[in-house]
Amino acid sequence: DIVMTQTPLSLSVTPGQPASISCKSSQSLLHSDGKTYLYWYLQKPGQSPQLLIYEVSNRFSGVPDKFSGSGSGTDFTLKISRVEAEDVGVYYCMQSIHLWTFGQGTKVEIK
Amino acid sequence: EVQLVESGGGLVQPGGSLRLSCAASGFTFSSYEMNWVRQAPGKGLEWVSYISSTGRTIYYADSVKGRFTISRDNAKNSLYLQMNSLRAEDTAVYYCAMRGDYWGQGTLVTVSS
Repeated sequence: DIVMTQTPLSLSVTPGQPASISCKSSQSLLHSDGKTYLYWYLQKPGQSPQLLIYEVSNRFSGVPDKFSGSGSGTDFTLKISRVEAEDVGVYYCMQSIHLWTFGQGTKVEIK
Repeated sequence: EVQLVESGGGLVQPGGSLRLSCAASGFTFSSYEMNWVRQAPGKGLEWVSYISSTGRTIYYADSVKGRFTISRDNAKNSLYLQMNSLRAEDTAVYYCAMRGDYWGQGTLVTVSS
């Protein structure tokens, strides 16, 4: 099974400041079709997860450009350029190259 | 607008059964693979099962293999999860997801005596 490891597990951010979350996979997520199957989700309090980023760096429909994803192979990063109150929640990375596996989640709160 | 509405959750005794449903609308259901994902209280996300658009390809997490059965009815735009031999550790909110793009609001399953 592919293991996804996120760091940090919690983050306290001053409004307007940037934030960064790392996700590492135990195997490469690069498929033979050339795509890398790494996704980022945000689960706001009391809500279901919502897709932010697909295939490493593509913002999903309606996702603001303050969210950006990068990385390759086994190392990936989600960046929020300016954290606002509406961004609080738990962020998960997920791989889908072989079934689905999620990271442990990173809880983001506002200072 | 894509909508996924889960139902069928509730309180069940250990060893019991439940059938979850997911009603889909706002997209061509028969064209998309679907998944079930669960989240135990206060915990992270755990993938449970996958079914291809035609229903011919199915996968399960090891934790539910042999106890849960995923199925779909493309004529009814519906996804199902039959859960048998339920255990306390199956207690969770169960979400259906269209690929990984859209998720329902979830339905709570509580396994307790």
